[in-house]
Amino acid sequence: EPEVTQTPSHQVTQMGQEVILRCVPISNHLYFYWYRQILGQKVEFLVSFYNNEISEKSEIFDDQFSVERPDGSNFTLKIRSTKLEDSAMYFCASRTRGELFFGEGSRLTVL
Amino acid sequence: GQQLNQSPQSMFIQEGEDVSMNCTSSSIFNTWLWYKQDPGEGPVLLIALYKAGELTSNGRLTAQFGTTRKDSFLNISASIPSDVGIYFCAGQSLGGATNKLIFGTGTLLAVQP
Repeated sequence: EPEVTQTPSHQVTQMGQEVILRCVPISNHLYFYWYRQILGQKVEFLVSFYNNEISEKSEIFDDQFSVERPDGSNFTLKIRSTKLEDSAMYFCASRTRGELFFGEGSRLTVL
Repeated sequence: GQQLNQSPQSMFIQEGEDVSMNCTSSSIFNTWLWYKQDPGEGPVLLIALYKAGELTSNGRLTAQFGTTRKDSFLNISASIPSDVGIYFCAGQSLGGATNKLIFGTGTLLAVQP
């Protein structure tokens, strides 16, 4: 069964460092998303991406965040200068017209 | 922004008991979805509801899309230990290029054998 894959599964970084989280969406999907879940809290929308551009972003997705689809398969989330409060699980998701499929997440720990 | 309030926050039940949880919103959604999240994993879709008043079952799970389009409930019958996890409702407003999901606050379910 096709699935969304994310790497790394866990990343530990120092505050102020740049982090890139990678996602390989399901191959025929057209819409891509990043969501965030702080430990013990709900899943929050960060950004959606369609037709090679951001279609919507939340207030969480400030200038420190960026997304890219550098080739036909990867979808990346970059955090330019990490803060302690960026520690969370980051979920990538993709869909065509229907169900949204989530990856297993990348846990980011900022020290 | 749009908020989904989910209740209860947590439930501790005995195996075999039925479970009910619900979700309410101040906004109207076109689609309601229920997800289960196991520790360290991403949400997995359980049931999707597309029409107001719709009642849908998936095995021991039953969910309904409220007639006002501002609420939904999920029932689990005859719970088993593997039902343990966090259950999230999510609302989706269709239209535009985004169709993002707004997630509820989650219900933690613990099932004692």
